[in-house]
Amino acid sequence: GENVEQHPSTLSVQEGDSAVIKCTYSDSASNYFPWYKQELGKRPQLIIDIRSNVGEKKDQRIAVTLNKTAKHFSLHITETQPEDSAVYFCAVPPSGYSTLTFGKGTMLLVSP
Amino acid sequence: EAGVAQSPRYKIIEKRQSVAFWCNPISGHATLYWYQQILGQGPKLLIQFQNNGVVDDSQLPKDRFSAERLKGVDSTLKIQPAKLEDSAVYLCASSRDRGSEKLFFGSGTQLSVL
Repeated sequence: GENVEQHPSTLSVQEGDSAVIKCTYSDSASNYFPWYKQELGKRPQLIIDIRSNVGEKKDQRIAVTLNKTAKHFSLHITETQPEDSAVYFCAVPPSGYSTLTFGKGTMLLVSP
Repeated sequence: EAGVAQSPRYKIIEKRQSVAFWCNPISGHATLYWYQQILGQGPKLLIQFQNNGVVDDSQLPKDRFSAERLKGVDSTLKIQPAKLEDSAVYLCASSRDRGSEKLFFGSGTQLSVL
């Protein structure tokens, strides 16, 4: 099955700094790469995704970059704010499946 | 549009008891998923339905877990008998169809097995 690893497991930054979370996967045929945000006690919500035919996608302060050769993709958050504090999960669908295999999550803490 | 509805929000039971969770997906969504999220980990797929048929239940502990989606709309997940290690949040999610990867999650049911 798909092996998804996420680093770091925790990340503390000061408000206004940038944060980067990296996800590596094993199935070279995977072609869809989403990031989900889960605030404490709440449901996971999709914040950004990318398909394998592009290398980068931006949406305001967040961006995702993809390196298919190295089989990793990263979430970038610029000008972090306290409300960005949450657990972020990457996910990958194994080739031939429509389900998602999730990473173990990265807890991001943004201090004022 | 209304989101994915789940109930109950919290449940506390003793080991060896049984428990059932209910989920109503977003209207029109053909695909429904049950995920188990243990504290500090990412969601793990238990079962996927396409309409009223099972697509993937390879990670469902079938000796104690069962799920159904008889009319292809709402779904029930049951655990019988429960073990201590079943303590987790059970998340239901739905997507438009099997080819749509974007998942919409419910708020989950937090299960504590004592």
